[in-house]
Amino acid sequence: GAVVSQHPSWVICKSGTSVKIECRSLDFQATTMFWYRQFPKQSLMLMATSNEGSKATYEQGVEKDKFLINHASLTLSTLTVTSAHPEDSSFYICSARGRDTSYEQYFGPGTRLTVT
Amino acid sequence: GDSVTQMEGPVTLSEEAFLTINCTYTATGYPSLFWYVQYPGEGLQLLLKATKADDKGSNKGFEATYRKETTSFHLEKGSVQVSDSAVYFCALAHTGNQFYFGTGTSLTVIP
Repeated sequence: GAVVSQHPSWVICKSGTSVKIECRSLDFQATTMFWYRQFPKQSLMLMATSNEGSKATYEQGVEKDKFLINHASLTLSTLTVTSAHPEDSSFYICSARGRDTSYEQYFGPGTRLTVT
Repeated sequence: GDSVTQMEGPVTLSEEAFLTINCTYTATGYPSLFWYVQYPGEGLQLLLKATKADDKGSNKGFEATYRKETTSFHLEKGSVQVSDSAVYFCALAHTGNQFYFGTGTSLTVIP
């Protein structure tokens, strides 16, 4: 099956710094990638949708200047959390969809961000 | 708008017990329905899916049937194992669009 990787798997950063999370589709071309955020013991909430070569579409309430998303190629999307604060600590999960018309999204393993 | 409602957890069962996790949905049109599983510290893994009414998804002993008349997609397993301990998410999606997830149900199976 299709594989999506994320890097890093976990990261600790200091308040005020920025951190970049990578999402890669390893064996297929991802025309669309999704970024989700999961709070402890809660469900996944969609943050933004990005199509290759286009600006990301952010969900209501998500600050686009704080969560910068870049989808520059068909195999890579990045999420940069700028000026991170402790409340940004969370589990971030990406998913990717291929060029075929399947409903199925392939999820990455997630990145746990802790801001101290 | 579209939404998914799952039964509240946590659920604790003894090994070999029967499992049911209820899931109902609200959606326009005819979405596909999914069950995902998340093991501790890991990402989501697709467990099973159904793309149209009356379809039954199955995998690893788990089953769920897409019931349009009751807008449900309940997850069942006849005999759970300790290794099934995880969080289970019900979800729906329309073609090419975002997923809508339920809040997740934590399952713990004790020997």
